[in-house]
Amino acid sequence: DIQMTQSPSSLSASVGDRVIITCRASQSISSYLNWYQQKPGKAPNLLIYGASSLQSGVPSRFSGSGSGTDFTLTISSLQPEDFATYYCQKSNSNPWTFGQGTKVEIK
Amino acid sequence: QVQLVQSGAEVKKPGASVKVSCKASAYTFTSYYLHWVRQAPGQGLEWMGVTNPSSGATSYAQKFQGRVTMARDTSTSTLYMELSSLRSEDTAIYYCAREGGGIAARLRTLDYWGQGTLVTVSS
Repeated sequence: DIQMTQSPSSLSASVGDRVIITCRASQSISSYLNWYQQKPGKAPNLLIYGASSLQSGVPSRFSGSGSGTDFTLTISSLQPEDFATYYCQKSNSNPWTFGQGTKVEIK
Repeated sequence: QVQLVQSGAEVKKPGASVKVSCKASAYTFTSYYLHWVRQAPGQGLEWMGVTNPSSGATSYAQKFQGRVTMARDTSTSTLYMELSSLRSEDTAIYYCAREGGGIAARLRTLDYWGQGTLVTVSS
C-alpha cells in the first residue's frame, strides 16, 4: 500500500503567519490528494480536493499544490479559527490512506 | 442540506460485534459512494472501506477484511457497518462520509461527514 507522510507533525504559529504543511506519498498518486481540517470533538472538514481545488465555502487563504508524490497545503495568513489538526489523504486507489496529521497550535 | 446522521454510542465486550448505522438525507442515496473512517482516541484517521449504495458493492481495507461488513438499505437510505471480533484496539469514533461528485463523476474526496459514533470495547 502507498504510505502518506506529513510534515511537520506539529507546529506553533502566530495569527497572521504563513503556514505550509507538506505531504509525501511513497508512490505517485497523480493529483488524487485531499486535505481536511479537524477540530477537537468534530468530524473532519474538507478543505482541498484534487490537490489544488478549493472546496466550496472554504476561505481563499487555504490553497493546495503538488502532484505525483509531493504536495503542500498553505494557509496564507493564519486566523484564530485555523488552529486545528490537518490531514492529507490519497484517493487514487483503495485504500484511501491518510497522513498522520499535523497539529497547528498557537504560538 | 445533505446530512448523514449516525447511530448512538455503543459499549461492547471483547469478542462481540457492533453495528453502526448512517442515515442519509437531502440527496439521492444511490447516486454517491459512502465510506467509513475511524479514529482511535487521540489518534489519526483510518480509512476502512467504501460502498456503492446503488449496487451494494463494497471494498474494504485489507486490515479489516474478514471482520467488517458494510451494507445498505436503499428503502431507508441507510448505510450500515458491522465490525466483529471486537478487541480493545477497535475503541474509536467511527464516521461515515459521502464521496463527492456522484458515482458517475467521482471526485474522489469526502465532502460530507456524519457526526461520528463512539464505540468502546471494554471488559
